[in-house]
Amino acid sequence: DAKTTQPPSMDCAEGRAANLPCNHSTISGNEYVYWYRQIHSQGPQYIIHGLKNNETNEMASLIITEDRKSSTLILPHATLRDTAVYYCIVRVVNDYKLSFGAGTTVTVRA
Amino acid sequence: DAGVIQSPRHEVTEMGQEVTLRCKPISGHDYLFWYRQTMMRGLELLIYFNNNVPIDDSGMPEDRFSAKMPNASFSTLKIQPSEPRDSAVYFCASSLSRARRSSYEQYFGPGTRLTVT
Repeated sequence: DAKTTQPPSMDCAEGRAANLPCNHSTISGNEYVYWYRQIHSQGPQYIIHGLKNNETNEMASLIITEDRKSSTLILPHATLRDTAVYYCIVRVVNDYKLSFGAGTTVTVRA
Repeated sequence: DAGVIQSPRHEVTEMGQEVTLRCKPISGHDYLFWYRQTMMRGLELLIYFNNNVPIDDSGMPEDRFSAKMPNASFSTLKIQPSEPRDSAVYFCASSLSRARRSSYEQYFGPGTRLTVT
């Protein structure tokens, strides 16, 4: 039973912001939203996580709606190296397990 | 920091043979995870350890699979006997429970691509 829903693919122009949506309508109060990405032939890489507040780091921004039922990962200035599969994951607090879904294949085009 | 190290990077073996995959986690990390990735099933958690002790092996497909962590710097995933359906990329990841903001961030290795013919 998938806890998150993501579009299977999306394109983005190089230099533009990429906005990746994720639906997690059944999220509980003790569950975080995590984002990982997997560049072709590499292991997944952590991007960002949040509970209910918006978060920003050197890689991306995470916007979580007030009802916490959806979120958006923002890559502010996409580059060709951001082409990857992006996974939105819901994880229970103090549970170390991650369940990866199908993710969104993001292709950044020059 | 060298990151998570896995060996071998590629393994080709014949059905029925024993296969051993190896992982060295990031120094100081106290959690270690083994994942398997296939086109059909995506990325699946097989087993994870905390302080060298297996915590959850519910993802291990069957008795042909076994994992050990004899010390904090080494883990193995063994398949005996191997079958063609075991062909996949196997990832090892490690994590630090005392990370900043309780991120529980997992650091993944480059993976081992296993082909069983």
